[in-house]
Amino acid sequence: GAVVSQHPSRVICKSGTSVKIECRSLDFQATTMFWYRQFPKQSLMLMATSNEGSKATYEQGVEKDKFLINHASLTLSTLTVTSAHPEDSSFYICSARRGLAAVRSYNEQFFGPGTRLTVL
Amino acid sequence: QKEVEQNSGPLSVPEGAIASLNCTYSDRGSQSFFWYRQYSGKSPELIMFIYSNGDKEDGRFTAQLNKASQYVSLLIRDSQPSDSATYLCAAPVRDSNYQLIWGAGTKLIIKP
Repeated sequence: GAVVSQHPSRVICKSGTSVKIECRSLDFQATTMFWYRQFPKQSLMLMATSNEGSKATYEQGVEKDKFLINHASLTLSTLTVTSAHPEDSSFYICSARRGLAAVRSYNEQFFGPGTRLTVL
Repeated sequence: QKEVEQNSGPLSVPEGAIASLNCTYSDRGSQSFFWYRQYSGKSPELIMFIYSNGDKEDGRFTAQLNKASQYVSLLIRDSQPSDSATYLCAAPVRDSNYQLIWGAGTKLIIKP
């Protein structure tokens, strides 16, 4: 169990357009979802953390008006990159946490397969 | 600033040998650790979770935790070319929204 899907897996768009990425937990309810960005040969960079029904918490340096996160339900979170520019080209990965407090590994994050965004 | 540190590598190991990956952490209060594997161009996947001092074995993988010395390691026995990947160490951030603090990852190359 604990499968996370992400769509689309790859997107190419023109500069100035907006792109929406969906992240779904398929077989569990995700109390917390996370959005990461990863540039080539670099480690994961946490962009924001979101809980269902509340506003996302953004990491320092991440523009909340540019990277819109909506966590509308316990199984769906979306990331919208608004007015994308070439420097936004990256690998975007979501993860979800089940929140089973009775389990010691309750902080375990299950990752989606990622979305590779290329902005021309 | 709480940190999790890893040698970025690459660590080159001959096929069939034992690969040893290490991670040190600065928060003495950290209680548990995760090892994730990330293949190039893919997202991370969980390999091991360790909570207690000592060793935890799962197939060819053994995680070792030493809280006194503040390090956690991952041993891969009988290394296979398919083990070639970047291995990420992570620990929960206390008093956060269940975030994990990530090491930079160690790139492992298994040479046939």
